[in-house]
Amino acid sequence: DAGVTQSPTHLIKTRGQQVTLRCSPISGHKSVSWYQQVLGQGPQFIFQYYEKEERGRGNFPDRFSARQFPNYSSELNVNALLLGDSALYLCASSLLSPADTQYFGPGTRLTVL
Amino acid sequence: GDSVTQMEGPVTLSEEAFLTINCTYTATGYPSLFWYVQYPGEGLQLLLKATKADDKGSNKGFEATYRKETTSFHLEKGSVQVSDSAVYFCALRAPDSNYQLIWGAGTKLIIKP
Repeated sequence: DAGVTQSPTHLIKTRGQQVTLRCSPISGHKSVSWYQQVLGQGPQFIFQYYEKEERGRGNFPDRFSARQFPNYSSELNVNALLLGDSALYLCASSLLSPADTQYFGPGTRLTVL
Repeated sequence: GDSVTQMEGPVTLSEEAFLTINCTYTATGYPSLFWYVQYPGEGLQLLLKATKADDKGSNKGFEATYRKETTSFHLEKGSVQVSDSAVYFCALRAPDSNYQLIWGAGTKLIIKP
């Protein structure tokens, strides 16, 4: 069975640009969460979606937004990129709700120049 | 707020040595506790979990016991292998915070042959 998939694998952008990251959950999973992992640190929670509705949001500015589609895939959008947005962006899916075990994708490495 | 504190790395051991990675937490209520592992170039993988006090999670020779009295969830393995070299993350999930995962900073483990 395929695990959580994310695209693209790597991305290089310049300051001020916008980026869209994509995530496909494990088949049958209905909940998706997004995390930001800066090099050398633990992941930080950004968003949580369950049944296509936002259920939780971490301490990130409004430049960050996300959505979940009818097929439960998800996109994370970041506007007006800053150097500090450079990080590994992780998507995790869980079966029915965020209370279930979260399984992580390989991440998208975003570099902002 | 909720938080997780892990011992700083890197931790360097010889093959077949005994491993302990300390993890303590601060949380309201009764969180679930997790250890995730991140191998070089790969995504986060769930290693083990415990959902209530005195539970012991175990997998691949690793163990951790949920100690509410000391608010700890230390990771142990009796005999490490070179293939255990990775970064280990302790995390908690509190039921009153939309089930988001709160992470420690990670501990890099290096096993020398």
